Amino acid sequence: DQQVKQNSPSLSVQEGRISILNCDYTNSMFDYFLWYKKYPAEGPTFLISISSIKDKNEDGRFTVFLNKSAKHLSLHIVPSQPGDSAVYFCAASATYNFNKFYFGSGTKLNVKP
Amino acid sequence: DSGVTQTPKHLITATGQRVTLRCSPRSGDLSVYWYQQSLDQGLQFLIQYYNGEERAKGNILERFSAQQFPDLHSELNLSSLELGDSALYFCASSPSLNTEAFFGQGTRLTVV
Repeated sequence: DQQVKQNSPSLSVQEGRISILNCDYTNSMFDYFLWYKKYPAEGPTFLISISSIKDKNEDGRFTVFLNKSAKHLSLHIVPSQPGDSAVYFCAASATYNFNKFYFGSGTKLNVKP
Repeated sequence: DSGVTQTPKHLITATGQRVTLRCSPRSGDLSVYWYQQSLDQGLQFLIQYYNGEERAKGNILERFSAQQFPDLHSELNLSSLELGDSALYFCASSPSLNTEAFFGQGTRLTVV
């Protein structure tokens, strides 16, 4: 039962352009969403989060947008840099459920110089 | 460096065997999570502990068990291992129940 889905396994973007990574969820009780970045041979690294009371959260080059009615969130990276090349996981949790995180299957981003 | 330490980094063992994976959370973090990542798959939640007590359970097999000790470190025990158990096992920790988790570098388990 995949409650969090990332339908694009990979994305290729030119350096300097915008990268948009998408994530969909099915559980309407989810109220906390996160993005993690993962390099090979390393554990996932927390990137940015958003609570369901907001529809946008920004941190430097990274912005996460949440559309609750569509059960959709996206991560925008502007401008994209070669060092951003990694696998990006979105995750969701419901605070009533003690923060059990459900992860998507990941999107591999390749930023070309 | 996330501050979460997992040992060992690599483990190769035979089918039918039993192994123990260890996790030391970040200093002060009370919550520990275990995740499994099979080849090219997402992270599958296994189990969560908070201050020594089991708080949430995911798709954890009956052959697997975990515990969190009084010093807050955690162990994941995998028994009667099968080839399909080969995966990366990640531990993560967070200070409380409602914050982002920080991941260790994982233990790569290979069952031959």
